[in-house]
Amino acid sequence: DTAVSQTPKYLVTQMGNDKSIKCEQNLGHDTMYWYKQDSKKFLKIMFSYNNKELIINETVPNRFSPKSPDKAHLNLHINSLELGDSAVYFCASSPRLSGSSTGELFFGEGSRLTVL
Amino acid sequence: GENVEQHPSTLSVQEGDSAVIKCTYSDSASNYFPWYKQELGKRPQLIIDIRSNVGEKKDQRIAVTLNKTAKHFSLHITETQPEDSAVYFCAASIGWDGGSQGNLIFGKGTKLSVKP
Repeated sequence: DTAVSQTPKYLVTQMGNDKSIKCEQNLGHDTMYWYKQDSKKFLKIMFSYNNKELIINETVPNRFSPKSPDKAHLNLHINSLELGDSAVYFCASSPRLSGSSTGELFFGEGSRLTVL
Repeated sequence: GENVEQHPSTLSVQEGDSAVIKCTYSDSASNYFPWYKQELGKRPQLIIDIRSNVGEKKDQRIAVTLNKTAKHFSLHITETQPEDSAVYFCAASIGWDGGSQGNLIFGKGTKLSVKP
């Protein structure tokens, strides 16, 4: 069973298009994230949701809009795609911190977006 | 906000040698320091982490040390093997029991190559 799954795995599209990436986790975690990994492998947080509520919104263009219909899903919609949006987008989830829980991030396999 | 610096950006060692990767952080309130390993084309996965109330933690061939005063932490891999070849990321965040992990800030990664 895949713990954090995201679709599609690959996405090739033209500049100016709108696209979505979907993410689902079956771990029962409260918190979900979107990270962007650029060509230099730099991992940068974009958004974080805790129980469907936005808690982290880094400096990301407002063309990027996350949506969390329930705590097991966090989707990412991108409007008016630009060349610089090309990257691998990772969804992740983490449990609530406690004495026995480290808050480990469980990543999905990534969605490679290529904008032409 | 938190800033995490990681060195070196690339590291090449012979099989059987030790490898050390160092990170510094800027926010003295950070209290959680995980290390992630990302193999080529795969998702990042947690390999070891440390909380700020501990100075050192070891798990078989890997160990992490933390110096809160100097705000730096290091990953040590002993008896390296070719399968240790990957990109390693350090990270720092502020987390609290019963809550979420907070904003996990990653270093820029170290590409480790272990030559047989």
